[in-house]
Amino acid sequence: GENVEQHPSTLSVQEGDSAVIKCTYSDSASNYFPWYKQELGKRPQLIIDIRSNVGEKKDQRIAVTLNKTAKHFSLHITETQPEDSAVYFCAATPMNAGNMLTFGGGTRLMVKP
Amino acid sequence: GAVVSQHPSRVICKSGTSVKIECRSLDFQATTMFWYRQFPKQSLMLMATSNEGSKATYEQGVEKDKFLINHASLTLSTLTVTSAHPEDSSFYICSARGLGGGGGYTFGSGTRLTVV
Repeated sequence: GENVEQHPSTLSVQEGDSAVIKCTYSDSASNYFPWYKQELGKRPQLIIDIRSNVGEKKDQRIAVTLNKTAKHFSLHITETQPEDSAVYFCAATPMNAGNMLTFGGGTRLMVKP
Repeated sequence: GAVVSQHPSRVICKSGTSVKIECRSLDFQATTMFWYRQFPKQSLMLMATSNEGSKATYEQGVEKDKFLINHASLTLSTLTVTSAHPEDSSFYICSARGLGGGGGYTFGSGTRLTVV
């Protein structure tokens, strides 16, 4: 099955700085890579996703890059704000009917004002 | 967009009792439901996958007789924690995929179970 590793487990940055979170996956059949933001006691919220036919995707201050050869993908948040503080999870799946998401271990991001 | 309603949001129960958690897809047909468990400061761990009308497939180490999953309709799936013990205390969350759901994974709002 799929195995997703995520680093770092905690990340502290100053407001306005950039934050980068990295994930690796094991199953070469995986073709869908979403990133979720989860606040304490809440459901994970999809913030951006990428499919294997593209290498990079950007949405305002958030971008994701994918290297299929190396089996790793990264989340980049620029101009961080205190409200970006949360736990972020990467996930991977071969997105055929019924395939489950395998999550990374999570990164606790703290943005200091 | 696709919405999954999960209830209850919080429940406290006594050891030995059973608790039922419901997830309903409000505006799409959930052909597949995934049930996750999340312990404090940990990631989401898949417990089981259920397809409408079929028996659930459980992940290794998850007791199917303890965590009963029913997915009898395209809009409702339930997880029943039977004979709950304090170590079952956790955050349980469902995620649905299906027809009209945009092709993605729609999460419920989660249930905080505390067994005392």
